[in-house]
Amino acid sequence: DAKTTQPPSMDCAEGRAANLPCNHSTISGNEYVYWYRQIHSQGPQYIIHGLKNNETNEMASLIITEDRKSSTLILPHATLRDTAVYYCIVRVDTNAGKSTFGDGTTLTVKP
Amino acid sequence: EAGVAQSPRYKIIEKRQSVAFWCNPISGHATLYWYQQILGQGPKLLIQFQNNGVVDDSQLPKDRFSAERLKGVDSTLKIQPAKLEDSAVYLCASSPRRRGNTEAFFGQGTRLTVV
Repeated sequence: DAKTTQPPSMDCAEGRAANLPCNHSTISGNEYVYWYRQIHSQGPQYIIHGLKNNETNEMASLIITEDRKSSTLILPHATLRDTAVYYCIVRVDTNAGKSTFGDGTTLTVKP
Repeated sequence: EAGVAQSPRYKIIEKRQSVAFWCNPISGHATLYWYQQILGQGPKLLIQFQNNGVVDDSQLPKDRFSAERLKGVDSTLKIQPAKLEDSAVYLCASSPRRRGNTEAFFGQGTRLTVV
């Protein structure tokens, strides 16, 4: 799986959009970008994934650059409960749990 | 739908002792994973099962760690003997076997402290 680079920490004001960047410059054509988050004392939770088109679901939006070398996870209206570690993972889609997790970005949402 | 169940939630043992963790995946999920997460780091895959067969155990320290998934449902992960550096959260995850994109569902984990 391709390596990803994320900032170690970010802050966001409650109610504002949180934009979490991820670099994956060595991504292959058949690799997807997945995002998980891990709230304190819980297991990781799937958020969203995409190949090359932008994706949106009830939790977040995923913006992937045209060259696919980077992506941004957007939480449109961050709440205190969104405080967590966010992991950007790049992998082929056929093996859901065989993910290489980096150290992620610790997002702190502040009131 | 019930989630991935793990027990115990917490365990404290002395070094050189043995310990076992249990995982019950989501019903019908063919694939099961065990991860180790050391404090401050992301989870690291230890072993992957497909039904009751091992698909990948390349990251499992086989001199002290063992895992099994009898009957392709529940799984146990054992450490014998434990070392101080085994202190971590042990996460179990499962995913369905179907075509196309899939996601993995994680349990809450077992926090092991070796003293």
